[in-house]
Parts: sequence; structure tokens; C-alpha cells
Amino acid sequence: ETGVTQSPTHLIKTRGQQVTLRCSSQSGHNTVSWYQQALGQGPQFIFQYYREEENGRGNFPPRFSGLQFPNYSSELNVNALELDDSALYLCASSLVVAEGSYNEQFFGPGTRLTVL
Amino acid sequence: GNSVTQMEGPVTLSEEAFLTINCTYTATGYPSLFWYVQYPGEGLQLLLKATKADDKGSNKGFEATYRKETTSFHLEKGSVQVSDSAVYFCALSADSLTQGGSEKLVFGKGMKLTVNP
Repeated sequence: ETGVTQSPTHLIKTRGQQVTLRCSSQSGHNTVSWYQQALGQGPQFIFQYYREEENGRGNFPPRFSGLQFPNYSSELNVNALELDDSALYLCASSLVVAEGSYNEQFFGPGTRLTVL
Repeated sequence: GNSVTQMEGPVTLSEEAFLTINCTYTATGYPSLFWYVQYPGEGLQLLLKATKADDKGSNKGFEATYRKETTSFHLEKGSVQVSDSAVYFCALSADSLTQGGSEKLVFGKGMKLTVNP
């Protein structure tokens, strides 16, 4: 069973550019969440995708957007990059079989984004 | 709103020392509580969890008890090893999102632990 994978592992961009980060969920998982982890901080929830639709968003502006594909892989897009967007971006996948039940989230290794 | 406050480090211990990492939370309702560990160069891994008051989560010699009266979930290990060197995050699950799916996790800032031989 393949775990959660993310690409690329590292990325350097300049202010104002756009970036796309990718996540492959663990096999069979139908939910993916994205988190931003700034240096020395805990991860912060960006948004979640469930059955290919956005299912909740944290306190992040609209220039952070995402997609979930039929195979449940996912993308995180960030437009008009700012210096403060430099962080480790984590995705986490889970299998939801029944609403209200606990479902463990499995994290990928992250993509380190540096904005210069 | 929901939040987690945990002991910040970094902390350095000798092998076989006792470890406690304090964690307190603020939440509406009755969240589930978690400890995650992040080894260098790796993603977060769930270490243990507790889903209701007085539950004790345990794994790999680590333990934490969900204390509703003190809103705490302190992590303990009786004898740490060099391989326990990592960053530890306390987290809670926030309100369920609108259409099912997984609950949103709210994390503390993390504590870096280094264990020396």
C-alpha cells in the first residue's frame, strides 16, 4: 500500500508568481486536507476536499485554491505569491466511510516552498 | 475559537530520562485529542489519540490522558531513547466540516526534542 506522496519536495519561486503543489492520496482514500506549516509553527488548516468538492476552508485568502481529481489526487494552487507564503505545505488523506465517525488522517512528507 | 497551547522547546534530554510535554486546549464541545510526531525530513505521524474524557492513548511507550476538568492532554514517556528525537505536536479535532469528510485538525506550535546518548 502506497502512502501519501507529494511533489515537488522543494520549490523556489519569486513574489507575484503562481505555484501548483501536488498530492497523491493513500490508496482508497477519498478525502484530502491541505495544511501550511510556517517555520517553527504548527500546521494550519488551509482547506479540505471531499468527493472532489471543497469541504471547508481555514483563514486563507482566495488566492489559495485547490482541486481534487476523480482518482482522489489533489492540487494546491497559490497565486500572486507573497514572502509570507514560504512554508512547508502538507497534505493529509483519509477514508471517510460514515459521517461522524473518526477517520485518521495520513500525512505526506510535504513540499517546502520558498518565496524570494 | 479552538486552540492548543503546548510547551515549546527545544528540549534536550539524556537517554532513559523521563519526558513530559504539557498540552492544554480550548474548544467548544468535546474534541478528540491527538499527539503527532514529525521526524526529520518526514511527514507528521499520529502517535496516539483519545476521543473522550478520561481516555488514555498510548503507543511506543508514550501515554497521554484526556483530562476534561483541566483541559489538558500531557504527553509522557518513562524512558526516552535517541530514536525519540523529533518534533511533537499536540492537536485537537475541530468542528466537523459541512458535508462530512474528515474533521479539521488544530495544532499547537510543536516542541523539538533531542535525546542524547
